[in-house]
Amino acid sequence: QVQLVQSGAEVKRPGASVKVSCKASGYTFTTYAMHWVRQAPGQRLEWMGWISAGNGDTKYSQKFQGRVTITRDTSASTVYMELSSLRSEDTAVYYCARYVVPFDTWGQGTLVTVSS
Amino acid sequence: QSVLTQPPSVSGDPGQRVTISCTGSSSNIGAGYDVHWYQQLPGTAPKLLISGNSIRPSGVPDRFSGSKSGTSASLAITGLQAEDEADYYCQSYDNSLYVVFGGGTRLTVL
Repeated sequence: QVQLVQSGAEVKRPGASVKVSCKASGYTFTTYAMHWVRQAPGQRLEWMGWISAGNGDTKYSQKFQGRVTITRDTSASTVYMELSSLRSEDTAVYYCARYVVPFDTWGQGTLVTVSS
Repeated sequence: QSVLTQPPSVSGDPGQRVTISCTGSSSNIGAGYDVHWYQQLPGTAPKLLISGNSIRPSGVPDRFSGSKSGTSASLAITGLQAEDEADYYCQSYDNSLYVVFGGGTRLTVL
């Protein structure tokens, strides 16, 4: 079955960077785009960006432009999301989600805590 | 604030019908983009509930239905059950912002 498994929780200092991985299985990885969505504690879902798993094209939310980088490793069927210059407001659960018009499969989420 | 507006909370008794609205604008829902709905149970990832305004993915009970008209969309839940207690999010696309989500609605089953 289709599955997205994300890396474990992270604790980072303000100003640092974090890189979260999302390993896909159960389908041909390069067929579908992968998006990243985050959710701060008690808050709404917030779209961050996406990558074409096929050709690596990316598009980012204006809010995160310049701070977020999404990459993929086709040999490992894995997508990565790196967020830099972390601040306390970036404390959130980060989800990867496969895009099959719309998001039909989600990862389990990765909690990133930014604290001094 | 969210581009798509949802009521913060709705509630109903078991067996009742509730609706959750999702109001957008001419740059998103009104521009013809589809609306999708997700259910998020406490402590879990969102789950696709309705796609393409009104299509239920396999496994979603027919108690859940969606509709869209103009710049708004609605999710209806009939025969309310205790396990329906969750957060519900609408999602669409925007000419400027690409993917957009509603602010979420907390459904309480009384």
